[in-house]
Amino acid sequence: DAKTTQPTSMDCAEGRAANLPCNHSTISGNEYVYWYRQIHSQGPQYIIHGLKNNETNEMASLIITEDRKSSTLILPHATLRDTAVYYCIVRGAPHGKLTFGQGTILTVHP
Amino acid sequence: DSGVTQTPKHLITATGQRVTLRCSPRSGDLSVYWYQQSLDQGLQFLIQYYNGEERAKGNILERFSAQQFPDLHSELNLSSLELGDSALYFCASSVADRGLTEAFFGQGTRLTVV
Repeated sequence: DAKTTQPTSMDCAEGRAANLPCNHSTISGNEYVYWYRQIHSQGPQYIIHGLKNNETNEMASLIITEDRKSSTLILPHATLRDTAVYYCIVRGAPHGKLTFGQGTILTVHP
Repeated sequence: DSGVTQTPKHLITATGQRVTLRCSPRSGDLSVYWYQQSLDQGLQFLIQYYNGEERAKGNILERFSAQQFPDLHSELNLSSLELGDSALYFCASSVADRGLTEAFFGQGTRLTVV
């Protein structure tokens, strides 16, 4: 699976959009981009995934660049409960396993 | 609630002992994954089972073993425990092993080896 690069930490004001970037320059054509988050030692929580088109669900939006070498997770109106470690993962179809990196620690401030 | 159940939630045991961690996947999920999370290592993939068969192996020590039973629940056995085995152990499940469905994680078992 391709490796990803994320900033170590980010801050965001409550109510504002949180934009979390991820670099995956070695991604191959059949690999998907997944985002998970982990809130203080709880089990990781699935957020969203995509291949090449932008995706949106009730939690977030995922913007993938045209060359697929990077992506951005957008939490449109961050709340204090969104404070967590966010993991960007590139996942290939034949394998199934998720390989977690160090993630981005997002802190949402009042 | 993800639908994945892990027991026990907490476990304290002595070095050299053996423990068994249990995972019940979501109803209908055939694939089970085990992960270890320690403070200095992050989330490390250990092993994956699909419908009773081992599918993928990660950085799992020889002292550790796992299996998935016909009712699809899984157990992770840790033996000859060392202080460094203290960690959170997570189980996740998904519908298929090759499909790109999301994996749902349990709340973990916190193992403390003293």
